[in-house]
Amino acid sequence: RKEVEQDPGPFNVPEGATVAFNCTYSNSASQSFFWYRQDCRKEPKLLMSVYSSGNEDGRFTAQLNRASQYISLLIRDSKLSDSATYLCVVNKGGTASKLTFGTGTRLQVTL
Amino acid sequence: SAVISQKPSRDICQRGTSLTIQCQVDSQVTMMFWYRQQPGQSLTLIATANQGSEATYESGFVIDKFPISRPNLTFSTLTVSNMSPEDSSIYLCSGHVGGQRGYTFGSGTRLTVV
Repeated sequence: RKEVEQDPGPFNVPEGATVAFNCTYSNSASQSFFWYRQDCRKEPKLLMSVYSSGNEDGRFTAQLNRASQYISLLIRDSKLSDSATYLCVVNKGGTASKLTFGTGTRLQVTL
Repeated sequence: SAVISQKPSRDICQRGTSLTIQCQVDSQVTMMFWYRQQPGQSLTLIATANQGSEATYESGFVIDKFPISRPNLTFSTLTVSNMSPEDSSIYLCSGHVGGQRGYTFGSGTRLTVV
């Protein structure tokens, strides 16, 4: 079983739609969780951290369920510019420890 | 947020040769990480580079093939040695700057071995 699992997609949604991505992780000792965004032929960039209480940043909402070892990302009012691959990322240790990446979920927002 | 300058951005190399990739950070970083990303796949950690000690390699990666240097807290290099076409990939460095959220990545090196 992979340490971090995501549906690879692609998710094709019209502009303005709401879309949700899910991610599961296998190591219950995982401590930090992130969503990264990676555009084609670019490096990953931090989209948002994920906190147990859930957190929101504009149109983006992230949730963490430690009991189910499950992370989600909700994007409301999708824009064309949201088209990218979204990587679920888990950190097992302290702030400077290594990250484990999911395979990513590809989102394509269309007119 | 921290900026990591990575070079070269791309290269085409002959099999059997070696390529050294450099990453320069504009802040001090305790640990730097080197990843490989093959087409259509996610990032795989190669090794963790600490200053003043040998790098720690992940399963499937060895020092002879991917020697790493970390002479100070703002710089690291990864060498891909004795290259074969299977080494064609994107190589990325990353680091975490204290006090900042998440990890910053270099812009990647797209390597093609012919």
